[in-house]
Amino acid sequence: GAGVSQSPRYKVAKRGQDVALRCDPISGHVSLFWYQQALGQGPEFLTYFQNEAQLDKSGLPSDRFFAERPEGSVSTLKIQRTQQEDSAVYLCASSPDSDEQYFGPGTRLTVT
Amino acid sequence: GQQLNQSPQSMFIQEGEDVSMNCTSSSIFNTWLWYKQEPGEGPVLLIALYKAGELTSNGRLTAQFGITRKDSFLNISASIPSDVGIYFCAGLGDSNYQLIWGAGTKLIIKP
Repeated sequence: GAGVSQSPRYKVAKRGQDVALRCDPISGHVSLFWYQQALGQGPEFLTYFQNEAQLDKSGLPSDRFFAERPEGSVSTLKIQRTQQEDSAVYLCASSPDSDEQYFGPGTRLTVT
Repeated sequence: GQQLNQSPQSMFIQEGEDVSMNCTSSSIFNTWLWYKQEPGEGPVLLIALYKAGELTSNGRLTAQFGITRKDSFLNISASIPSDVGIYFCAGLGDSNYQLIWGAGTKLIIKP
C-alpha cells in the first residue's frame, strides 16, 4: 500500500504567518509521530499520537506549535506566528505499534 | 537523558568496499533501528533489531544488536553508488515510543 504522505512538500512563510502541515499516515497505523529535523542533524521528537489521543507533546518547542489527529488518521501540525528559528524539515512517521516507524518525505518550512 | 554516539561522522570509500558504522549508548536500549536518508526525503527503515545479540541482514546490509544492549553496528558489503546517503541509528529505551537518534553517518563514494 501507499506510504506516509505529507503536504505541502515545501512551504515558505513570512515571519508571523500561521502554517498548517498535513500528514497522511499508512492506513491502519495506530501510532503517529511528528519530528523536526534541522540541517545535518537527526530528527528531534515533537509529539506522539495513539489513534486520536495525543499522548506526548513534550517535544513541541513552544505554545505556538499545535498538533491534532481528530479522527485517528490524518494529522495536522500547526505553527502559529512563525519565527525564523522554526525553519526546518518537519517529518511525520506512523507505526502499527510504536517500534518500527515509517517516515514521510517531510515538509521543508522556510520562514523569511 | 539517553544519548547515542554514532561514528564515524562521514566516510569516503571506493565503490566495492565494505562499510562499517556503529552506535553506542550510555544506557540500555530495547530496540535498535537503522535508517537511511537521502537528500529531500524522509528516513527509510533498513533494519530493526529486537533482541540482544540479534544479527539481521537485508541484502548487502547486516546489523547487530550488541549483547550489552548499549551498542549496535551496521555493515554494508560491496558498496555501490546508490548506497550514498546518511545512515542513522535510533534506539528505543525507557520510553516505548520515543526514538533516540544518532547524529548520522554520511556515506560518500569516491568515483
